[in-house]
This record gives sequence, structure tokens and C-alpha cells, in this order.
Amino acid sequence: SQQGEEDPQALSIQEGENATMNCSYKTSINNLQWYRQNSGRGLVHLILIRSNEREKHSGRLRVTLDTSKKSSSLLITASRAADTASYFCATDVTQGGKLIFGQGTELSVKP
Amino acid sequence: DVKVTQSSRYLVKRTGEKVFLECVQDMDHENMFWYRQDPGLGLRLIYFSYDVKMKEKGDIPEGYSVSREKKERFSLILESASTNQTSMYLCASSLQSPGFNGYTFGSGTRLTVV
Repeated sequence: SQQGEEDPQALSIQEGENATMNCSYKTSINNLQWYRQNSGRGLVHLILIRSNEREKHSGRLRVTLDTSKKSSSLLITASRAADTASYFCATDVTQGGKLIFGQGTELSVKP
Repeated sequence: DVKVTQSSRYLVKRTGEKVFLECVQDMDHENMFWYRQDPGLGLRLIYFSYDVKMKEKGDIPEGYSVSREKKERFSLILESASTNQTSMYLCASSLQSPGFNGYTFGSGTRLTVV
């Protein structure tokens, strides 16, 4: 079964609004990462948060990690049409080894 | 700019053919991975490699093999292509710990087996 489960599966918002996506996982992790995938393309690494970190920022992205609840959230502030993509969380349980990906959240930002 | 290059964006092959998917990275990464992505199933790991000439099975290795003769190249081989191997194939690479900072993915190869 998948380690990471994203919620919601799909999200549609207007430009300028914030988008929040959530990820839950089952086992202890070394770090958790978020990736973006534009339609028909490869995934692009967005941000990595380590198990001893609680929050991390990168530009308009904010990631939180709650290891007690085994969950993470990705917040995109002031969204743009160009943010339209699928977003995946991935957990690293083997310290730099293979990642386990969730099913993804499909974000649509309407201009 | 660092890169992972997959040899083909689109590929159409016949059932029973032997298919080679090539992946090359220029970042001197130790780790390389092959995933397939299917609607509703997400990304599933086929094979990975931590070093030259080394390979490990992922979650769905059946029907596939891999080759890593050089550090920068990781090839996925479909020994006898079948229609259920029609999918998007994604190659990725990464550093090993403690330098690990995520995967770099290629653009993907969309394989259709007819």
C-alpha cells in the first residue's frame, strides 16, 4: 500500500487564493518531500523537510511537518495560473534511498 | 543546469519486442531509479541502483531488468514487451546521504505497446 496519501485528490481555486494540500503517511521517516508535475512531464523537486523540522519556507511555498500525526501540508500562497499541476508528497524511510510517493493532488488555478 | 535525460519522449513498440529505455545524468549522482506512473496507481518503483553494476528490485520488477555499467547511465529493459507495460516511465537520480536533497527527474518516456 502507498506510504503517502494526499488530500484532496483535486483542488480548484482562483488566481490569488491560497492552496493547501495535505499528506499523511504510515511509518517513521527521515524526511518528506514535495514535488510538482506539469501535465505529461517529469516531476520537479520543490522542497524537503527533515524529520526534526516543523516548518520550512521557499518563496511562496510553506511546508509543515507533524511527526506525531504523521502528516504534512503544503501551502502555496497567492497562487498563479502557472501553479496548475499535480503535487506529490514523497517519504524517505531509508535515509537517502528510495522514495515512496503518494497519489498526488491535482491543482487547478483559474485566471 | 543539472540534468537527467531520457532518450525518448514517446515510444511505440510491438508486443514481444525487447525495449530499451535509456537514462543519463550529468550530476555524478550515486543513486538512480526507474518508476512507472499510471493513472490511479501513482508512481511505482521498478528498480533502483546505488552504485555501478549494482541493482535492487523495487515494488514491481516483474517483466523488467536493468543495467548500470557506468555511473551516469541506467537502462531499463523490457525483455518482452506486453500491452500492460504501456505507461509513463520516469527516471530519477539523487545523491546518497548525507548529501541527499531529493530526486532529479527526467522528462519521462511515454511508452505504448501495441
